Amino acid sequence: EIVLTQSPATLSLSPGERATLSCRASQSVSSYLAWYQQKPGQAPRLLIYDASSRATGIPVRFSGSGSGTDFTLTISSLVPEDFAVYYCQQRSNWPLLSFGGGTKVEIK
Amino acid sequence: QVQLQESGPGLVKPSETLSLTCAVSGYSVSSGYYWGWIRQPPGKGLEWIGSFFHSGNTYYNPSLKSRVTISVDTSRNHFSLKLSSVTAADTAVYYCARLPYYYDDTDSYGGAFDIWGQGTMVTVSS
Repeated sequence: EIVLTQSPATLSLSPGERATLSCRASQSVSSYLAWYQQKPGQAPRLLIYDASSRATGIPVRFSGSGSGTDFTLTISSLVPEDFAVYYCQQRSNWPLLSFGGGTKVEIK
Repeated sequence: QVQLQESGPGLVKPSETLSLTCAVSGYSVSSGYYWGWIRQPPGKGLEWIGSFFHSGNTYYNPSLKSRVTISVDTSRNHFSLKLSSVTAADTAVYYCARLPYYYDDTDSYGGAFDIWGQGTMVTVSS
């Protein structure tokens, strides 16, 4: 089973600042990693798939990088609607999937 | 556009079977794509339950495999989730979602849930 560990658990930042979120896999997942954003009371929204490909309609301030076991989601300049919880998900052992525990980005 | 909508009882008794349906509009589930179920206990993270391909192959989370069945009704353009022998630990918001996945001679692509239903809360309690 591939375990995804996200850090930090909570990130306190101000609008306009850069957010850097980490997702580490217990074994290599190549580039087979996605990122989601979830706001309270809403379903998750796909941001990034295959480590660095932005999903349809996702603003360019969201970017993903990494391969193997270490991945990063970067939000270049936070706007108010970006404060949410973010999850990573791997598909390396397709069709079995798993999610990370999440990182909450909160307003400082 | 493609939309998904979960439905089913909001309250299930312990030891009974949870049954949910995901109605798909704007696309025929028999035409393509993988589709899946994901759940989220209150205040916690996401857990993949299982997925299926439009042709009928199903895949389950090993931790739930003995209790889960996913099926598709192409005539009604919906798919279903059954989870047996439920306990309080199965209390969660249950989501259905579309799961694009492609492969060619060199690599595979996608494998992420791109369209989600709004979710339905299921509480397990007597």
